[in-house]
Amino acid sequence: GAGVSQTPSNKVTEKGKYVELRCDPISGHTALYWYRQSLGQGPEFLIYFQGTGAADDSGLPNDRFFAVRPEGSVSTLKIQRTERGDSAVYLCASSFIAGEVEQFFGPGTRLTVL
Amino acid sequence: KNEVEQSPQNLTAQEGEFITINCSYSVGISALHWLQQHPGGGIVSLFMLSSGKKKHGRLIATINIQEKHSSLHITASHPRDSAVYICAVHGGATNKLIFGTGTLLAVQP
Repeated sequence: GAGVSQTPSNKVTEKGKYVELRCDPISGHTALYWYRQSLGQGPEFLIYFQGTGAADDSGLPNDRFFAVRPEGSVSTLKIQRTERGDSAVYLCASSFIAGEVEQFFGPGTRLTVL
Repeated sequence: KNEVEQSPQNLTAQEGEFITINCSYSVGISALHWLQQHPGGGIVSLFMLSSGKKKHGRLIATINIQEKHSSLHITASHPRDSAVYICAVHGGATNKLIFGTGTLLAVQP
């Protein structure tokens, strides 16, 4: 079956604009994670969904960042009033259940804020 | 200090060499992952382990829970092994992964 997909693969925007990044997890995976990877760094946790609810959003850097997963499948990461420091690769991962199990990663969305 | 530290940060090897990448962590964990990331590509999970040793082909991963240390070994390295190798741990009561900064491996023919 298909793996985790993310769209768009690349997004270039101007400072101050609003962007949405989409993640389609593997079918049947209840847990979904968003991570952010800056150049030369390892990924950093942003938010984790169990089903439709955000079980842990402690990694969101500020209130400009918001994510939803209304039907427990597709998730959208929303960034308002983008700043140049938001430029990074945004990774999505899913797993069948939460906890100490393998996470399957999408290819990421490379966001560039000019 | 990062909760997950990897060494070396960069590694260049000749084809056929035995390679070791180390990971140390300071938090209590329930499981540790080794991940592979190719340039411009996504992340692939290589191993998840909570004790002992696992082997898959030319890759071997070990973990010592008492010493809070894990190693990833690659035997008979090949240029196609060139990638970033990332150590990540399941931290505490949450299910999020805490990542190291990665080790950039280049295997030259």
